[in-house]
Amino acid sequence: SQTIHQWPATLVQPVGSPLSLECTVEGTSNPNLYWYRQAAGRGLQLLFYSVGIGQISSEVPQNLSASRPQDRQFILSSKKLLLSDSGFYLCAWSVGSYLSSYEQYFGPGTRLTVT
Amino acid sequence: AQKVTQAQTEISVVEKEDVTLDCVYETRDTTYYLFWYKQPPSGELVFLIRRNSFDEQNEISGRYSWNFQKSTSSFNFTITASQVVDSAVYFCALSPGTASKLTFGTGTRLQVTL
Repeated sequence: SQTIHQWPATLVQPVGSPLSLECTVEGTSNPNLYWYRQAAGRGLQLLFYSVGIGQISSEVPQNLSASRPQDRQFILSSKKLLLSDSGFYLCAWSVGSYLSSYEQYFGPGTRLTVT
Repeated sequence: AQKVTQAQTEISVVEKEDVTLDCVYETRDTTYYLFWYKQPPSGELVFLIRRNSFDEQNEISGRYSWNFQKSTSSFNFTITASQVVDSAVYFCALSPGTASKLTFGTGTRLQVTL
């Protein structure tokens, strides 16, 4: 069966520090991968998606970047964190072609607090 | 542009009551998909259902049922005989038929008490 891992589970970082969040998927090949952010009391906002190694699409301009160095690894980064980067970050994966709309399966999330 | 509205911010019910969570969507696509996800206190989103725009049949899965009405652009979710374990935030989401990009509503927090 497929599983998705995210780490760390929680993170407290000062403003201006770098960020690296990691997501890995097991039990499937060539998944579509996604990064979402959930601000307190709000819905989820899609940040990045990837249909393959090295292929990243950004949905919103921001202080963050994403990379996919391996088929089942997705990394969310920032060079300098802002207070507004605080939130709950969720990684997700889906099967099939990106050009069809399959359900996405989510990881446990990382709660980031920027102080 | 796509939009999902969940007007109910928070609902409280007593165990064994039935409860309906509303979802209204906006899209210009003729083919699209609708989803419901559950987010328990642990934070992880759990997939519940996916429906395409050409399938308006209601669906029942145990205590869960979904009512899709294209005429009113609604995809409502009913929990029958609610249980404490149903307490969570429930999200409705919409995706175009040609890309796997979910637009989420702001969620409805359901609190089920004894």
